Amino acid sequence: EVQLVESGGGLVKPGGSLRLSCAASGFAFSTYTMNWVRQAPGKGLEWVSSITSRSSYIYSADSVKGRFTISRDNAKDSLYLQMNSLRVEDTAVYYCAREDLAGAFDFWGQGTLVTVSS
Amino acid sequence: SSELTQDPAVSVALGQTVRITCQGDSLRSNYASWYQQKPGQAPVLVISGKNNRPSGIPDRFSGSNSGNTASLTIAGAQAEDEADYYCNSRDSSGNHYVFGTGTKVTVL
Repeated sequence: EVQLVESGGGLVKPGGSLRLSCAASGFAFSTYTMNWVRQAPGKGLEWVSSITSRSSYIYSADSVKGRFTISRDNAKDSLYLQMNSLRVEDTAVYYCAREDLAGAFDFWGQGTLVTVSS
Repeated sequence: SSELTQDPAVSVALGQTVRITCQGDSLRSNYASWYQQKPGQAPVLVISGKNNRPSGIPDRFSGSNSGNTASLTIAGAQAEDEADYYCNSRDSSGNHYVFGTGTKVTVL
């Protein structure tokens, strides 16, 4: 059974940092592109960042570029999101999602809540 | 433009058919995927590619594409189909993704 479990969310002050983790199991993690997607309270989904299977290609939304860094450790079946210079508008539930060959996000974690507030 | 536009809300009578649309320039060269999200839950993929349903998704869900518009059809809507639905696709660059604005489906 495919499982994605996010962790690392919490309350942080504006300008602070946080590192999210996503532990994968039940599939060959090292062969899949992975993504982070976020959802602000009461709002829609927003794609954040993606990383290919061997970390060869990394892409990020303009809203987080230069502040957030996606990475992975295939030996540990884990995905990460380092978030620096956090802003109030970064408050959201952050989901990790597996990307299939067609570019669809076929499995999602349950999400971890990040709250940026003074 | 990299935006995907959806109607904010639609309603459908129990057992009837509803179609949700998603419009955007990126859909002229990319298929849309569709996700169902119920309150407090993570999104679930219901349609991908040309019209592919993941295992466990009922066959009352189907997808289609024409020009800059993608559509999700629920034929014979059930009470459990009440949810928010989002489309997404690659953007015009092919390297980023964009989500639609979301459609709240109410089953009456």
